[in-house]
Amino acid sequence: GDSVTQMEGPVTLSEEAFLTINCTYTATGYPSLFWYVQYPGEGLQLLLKATKADDKGSNKGFEATYRKETTSFHLEKGSVQVSDSAVYFCALKDSSASKIIFGSGTRLSIRP
Amino acid sequence: EAQVTQNPRYLITVTGKKLTVTCSQNMNHEYMSWYRQDPGLGLRQIYYSMNVEVTDKGDVPEGYKVSRKEKRNFPLILESPSPNQTSLYFCASSRTGNNQPQHFGDGTRLSIL
Repeated sequence: GDSVTQMEGPVTLSEEAFLTINCTYTATGYPSLFWYVQYPGEGLQLLLKATKADDKGSNKGFEATYRKETTSFHLEKGSVQVSDSAVYFCALKDSSASKIIFGSGTRLSIRP
Repeated sequence: EAQVTQNPRYLITVTGKKLTVTCSQNMNHEYMSWYRQDPGLGLRQIYYSMNVEVTDKGDVPEGYKVSRKEKRNFPLILESPSPNQTSLYFCASSRTGNNQPQHFGDGTRLSIL
């Protein structure tokens, strides 16, 4: 079946550091890929998405590129801020648009 | 304001006492879904609904029931809750199509003693 694998956390960085959170997937067909962010005590919010191979999603300085050849959708940001501290989830929605699979989440903490 | 509303936000109850968690959305979305979030496991899909009167099992449906009698509402029912259903639950909705993102409620924390 479909699956999503994220790098384990927690990840702790200093402010202005470069961030990468790895995400790889297995799926039949052509899924859409998403990154969601969860701040403490809140539900998940969409951060960015990509719906086909080589698409790049971007938002709030975060970027991720849909790489079909490596089945990856790694999240990157050039300079993180303390306000980026949250849990990040990679997810896929399958071609039938029915099931949604989430990764296990990566907790990110940014030190001032 | 576009939103997904879950109630209650917190509930402590005992094994075997039936409970319902309500979910309502005001965005006229066709697709609705329930998830549970457990440490180290991420979110796992319990049930989903592609439209009114259409529901399907997700990855962890055992011990749960749902219904979709109206487009806006998608309640989650635990007929006989057990301690292993202690978790953080999220309802979400979206338009149909695999490129449509989910809109999440704020979550319901259930503790089953």
